[in-house]
Amino acid sequence: AQKVTQAQTEISVVEKEDVTLDCVYETRDTTYYLFWYKQPPSGELVFLIRRNSFDEQNEISGRYSWNFQKSTSSFNFTITASQVVDSAVYFCALKSVDSNYQLIWGAGTKLIIKP
Amino acid sequence: AAGVIQSPRHLIKEKRETATLKCYPIPRHDTVYWYQQGPGQDPQFLISFYEKMQSDKGSIPDRFSAQQFSDYHSELNMSSLELGDSALYFCASSQKSGPAYEQYFGPGTRLTVT
Repeated sequence: AQKVTQAQTEISVVEKEDVTLDCVYETRDTTYYLFWYKQPPSGELVFLIRRNSFDEQNEISGRYSWNFQKSTSSFNFTITASQVVDSAVYFCALKSVDSNYQLIWGAGTKLIIKP
Repeated sequence: AAGVIQSPRHLIKEKRETATLKCYPIPRHDTVYWYQQGPGQDPQFLISFYEKMQSDKGSIPDRFSAQQFSDYHSELNMSSLELGDSALYFCASSQKSGPAYEQYFGPGTRLTVT
């Protein structure tokens, strides 16, 4: 069965702190794709990153970084030196043959950055 | 860069009325997806189209229908609206229908049924 678990329902930190959003996934497929999306208060869903199961390289994009570990089935997202504009709901999602290539979404983590 | 366009952005309808939501994908994207997101929930997949043909179907109610036109834009038609249909409706597009292609979402249409 396909499943994405984002155990942190809500995280609140003070601006400039680093924060990590956890994502744990389950799939029987050996080939799969993982995604992170950001949904700010304005409501739109913004694509952040896609990672293929055969590429375990971590990725850094500015203040954002992603740690993909197949051994623990995790795809965690870290924001360094957080800013108020990072406040949003962040969704982790999975896609594979077993999901008929439809996105399986986590429940989302609401991130609140306080000034 | 061009993004997915959805119209209208907000829509208020009464119970039992009909509504039509429109989606214009990113140029050269041939696959369109529709999602429904209730408050505090993750997006629920409704239906998708690839090259103007329905490619997959999710939890779309029988009261809803959708199609993709020759210019690749898509419309979601909703009839006999119910209070529970109040939600944010997203359209997303991708370059192809394969799993490796990420979906880019539009700004959403917020539907309120009163």
